[in-house]
Amino acid sequence: DIQMTQSPSTLSASVGDRVTITCRASQSISYWLAWYQQKPGKAPNLLIYKASTLESGVPSRFSGSGSGTEFTLTISSLQPDDFATYYCQQYNSYPITFGQGTRLEIK
Amino acid sequence: EVQLVESGGGLVQPGGSLRLSCAASGFTFSDHYMDWVRQAPGKGLEWVGRTRNKANSYTTEYAASVKGRFTISRDDSKNSLYLQMNSLKTEDTAVYYCGRVGSSHYGMDVWGQGTTVTVSS
Repeated sequence: DIQMTQSPSTLSASVGDRVTITCRASQSISYWLAWYQQKPGKAPNLLIYKASTLESGVPSRFSGSGSGTEFTLTISSLQPDDFATYYCQQYNSYPITFGQGTRLEIK
Repeated sequence: EVQLVESGGGLVQPGGSLRLSCAASGFTFSDHYMDWVRQAPGKGLEWVGRTRNKANSYTTEYAASVKGRFTISRDDSKNSLYLQMNSLKTEDTAVYYCGRVGSSHYGMDVWGQGTTVTVSS
């Protein structure tokens, strides 16, 4: 199975900050990676797919990059609505696996 | 409006069975692969399994943790997805989400609101 490791597990930041979350795969997954945002008590929401393509309706302050084994999700200027938990997901091979999550909290 | 609505969750004893349903609307259900993902209390997301579409023979994939106990099926005539869960264990306690897999990119682009399954004696 492909292991997905996110860092950091928790990130404290302020409104307006630029933040980056990293996701590493235990083997190459090409660009078959998605990022999701989840708020407490809600279903996850797709932000990015194919490592760098922004899902329709997602604000342009979100961006993704990377290929192979190392990927990043960047939020260019944090907004109050962005404080949530973020997950990466690889869908290069079965079983599909998620990272453990990064909780983005207000500093 | 594109929507997925899960139902069927509840309290079940260890060793018991439960069938979850996911009703789809607002899109051509038959075109899409569909996934189940679960989230144990206070934990991260865990992929449970997938059913492909008719064009891909409705084949399925499962996580090792549920293989042989859970079965994913679909009824395209009813725009519905199902998760039959047998031999339930306490560690299967979670919120279960159904999700639509994007046709061109394979990310999960539509999610249901989730249904809670509690396995306890």
